[in-house]
Amino acid sequence: DAGVTQSPTHLIKTRGQQVTLRCSPKSGHDTVSWYQQALGQGPQFIFQYYEEEERQRGNFPDRFSGHQFPNYSSELNVNALLLGDSALYLCASSFREGGGYGYTFGSGTRLTVV
Amino acid sequence: GENVEQHPSTLSVQEGDSAVIKCTYSDSASNYFPWYKQELGKGPQLIIDIRSNVGEKKDQRIAVTLNKTAKHFSLHITETQPEDSAVYFCAATPPSNFGNEKLTFGTGTRLTIIP
Repeated sequence: DAGVTQSPTHLIKTRGQQVTLRCSPKSGHDTVSWYQQALGQGPQFIFQYYEEEERQRGNFPDRFSGHQFPNYSSELNVNALLLGDSALYLCASSFREGGGYGYTFGSGTRLTVV
Repeated sequence: GENVEQHPSTLSVQEGDSAVIKCTYSDSASNYFPWYKQELGKGPQLIIDIRSNVGEKKDQRIAVTLNKTAKHFSLHITETQPEDSAVYFCAATPPSNFGNEKLTFGTGTRLTIIP
């Protein structure tokens, strides 16, 4: 049973460009959340998607947007990249009826902005 | 919003000894407190969690305690082994209509087990 899968694993982009990261949730999960983890820091909540809608959002600018597809997979888009956007981007999935407890993280996408 | 502080930032213990990591939170409404272990190149892995209706939970060598009055919770690892070496994160979240995914994490503790 595959867990949460993210692609790509690594990415290098130039300042000002746009990037799309992808996530497939664990089988049986219907909710996807995205986190940003800067080097040496704890993950920070970006947003959560359920039933193809953004349900909760953290303190991130509108440059960060997302999408959830009918098969529950999700994308994170970041526009107008800044050097400070360099981080590990983590996707986590959960089952809504379970209350979101104990959700599962993927291994992340390492984004470097140069 | 919620703010979580975690101490210590680094911890070294002899193999077989116990390790304790402590966290405090600011939002008295928070009711879910998971602990994650993150190994190099991997995403965080849930190792134990506790809800605010209990004061302690144990799973083999790992235990978590919660003091709601003082707003702090701790991770205890007994009989430490080399494979326990990793970065550990605590987290907290208040209830919401959309579940418990909006976690606020601490800054992490790098635990090193000395053989």
